Amino acid sequence: GAVVSQHPSWVICKSGTSVKIECRSLDFQATTMFWYRQFPKQSLMLMATSNEGSKATYEQGVEKDKFLINHASLTLSTLTVTSAHPEDSSFYICSAKTGGYNEQFFGPGTRLTVL
Amino acid sequence: QKEVEQNSGPLSVPEGAIASLNCTYSDRGSQSFFWYRQYSGKSPELIMFIYSNGDKEDGRFTAQLNKASQYVSLLIRDSQPSDSATYLCAVNRPQAGTALIFGKGTTLSVSS
Repeated sequence: GAVVSQHPSWVICKSGTSVKIECRSLDFQATTMFWYRQFPKQSLMLMATSNEGSKATYEQGVEKDKFLINHASLTLSTLTVTSAHPEDSSFYICSAKTGGYNEQFFGPGTRLTVL
Repeated sequence: QKEVEQNSGPLSVPEGAIASLNCTYSDRGSQSFFWYRQYSGKSPELIMFIYSNGDKEDGRFTAQLNKASQYVSLLIRDSQPSDSATYLCAVNRPQAGTALIFGKGTTLSVSS
């Protein structure tokens, strides 16, 4: 149980284009999903917290207009990196939790490379 | 002051030994503490969580929590080469509900 999937697992795009990453909870309903970014040899940095049906809460320093998050259902959240630039190249990981439980279950991650 | 601190390592132990991983946190209001394991290029996987002071054992793993000292540790008994990974300590951020703050991780290397 508690399986979270992400799609795509990797993506390469040109600078200036937009990329959408999907995060799905496969066998449970995720009341809250989180988006993290991890640069090489760094820890996970929380980007935003997303609750189903409401606007995402972004961490300080994360541009909400650049990283668009949508959590339209209890099993799906999307992160769109708009006008991507090489400095956005990173490992993007989502996690999900159910109400009442503090454990977060992580997706396999999406490696974004912006040329 | 960093919110969650870990020694980056690497921590090297021989196969069969006990590996001890440590973590300190700054927010006294934190109530939930997690240990994740991350292999290179992969996403983290949950090993254990602990909410109460004291020890919690799960197989070869024991988590220890001391809220007064703001300290949480993970012991791995009978370490195996497959345990070689980066271990991330995560602490909930009280003011943001369930958001987790991660340490930078400790790299463990178990030699056979």
